[in-house]
Amino acid sequence: GDSVTQMEGPVTLSEEAFLTINCTYTATGYPSLFWYVQYPGEGLQLLLKATKADDKGSNKGFEATYRKETTSFHLEKGSVQVSDSAVYFCALSGGGGSYIPTFGRGTSLIVHP
Amino acid sequence: SQTIHQWPATLVQPVGSPLSLECTVEGTSNPNLYWYRQAAGRGLQLLFYSVGIGQISSEVPQNLSASRPQDRQFILSSKKLLLSDSGFYLCAWSGGGDGYEQYFGPGTRLTVT
Repeated sequence: GDSVTQMEGPVTLSEEAFLTINCTYTATGYPSLFWYVQYPGEGLQLLLKATKADDKGSNKGFEATYRKETTSFHLEKGSVQVSDSAVYFCALSGGGGSYIPTFGRGTSLIVHP
Repeated sequence: SQTIHQWPATLVQPVGSPLSLECTVEGTSNPNLYWYRQAAGRGLQLLFYSVGIGQISSEVPQNLSASRPQDRQFILSSKKLLLSDSGFYLCAWSGGGDGYEQYFGPGTRLTVT
């Protein structure tokens, strides 16, 4: 079945540092890929998405590129802020026609001032 | 615009008591609906999903059940809570459109004592 693997956390950075959170996937067909963010005590919010190979999703300074050749969708941000501290989930759906999403386990990001 | 509501926000219940969590969606019709549980410090576990009124699929055998009495209403229930039912319960919907992205409610924090 489909699976998503994210790097273990927590990731701890200083403010204005560069962020990369790795995500790789295994899926049948051509899934859509997503990053969601969860702030403490809240539900998940869609951060960005990409629906086909080489698409780049971007939002709020975050970017991720759908790399079919490496089956990856790494999340990056050039300069993190304290307010970016949250848990980030990589996910896929639509592979093989299934709309049921598959989520990674989440990566906690802690940004210090 | 679409919104999703969950209530209650927090709940403390004794072992063996019943449970009813409600989720409603506004601003869309015939959504796919989902219930997830998130244990402390862990990822998302899909519990139930529904593609239409009265259509419920269960992902995990347990003492929980779900119902969809109306198009935009999704209810999670239990007749007798266990300690292991404690967690953060999230409702989500998707429209099945471009990429099947999900939109999450604010969550219900359930503590079984």
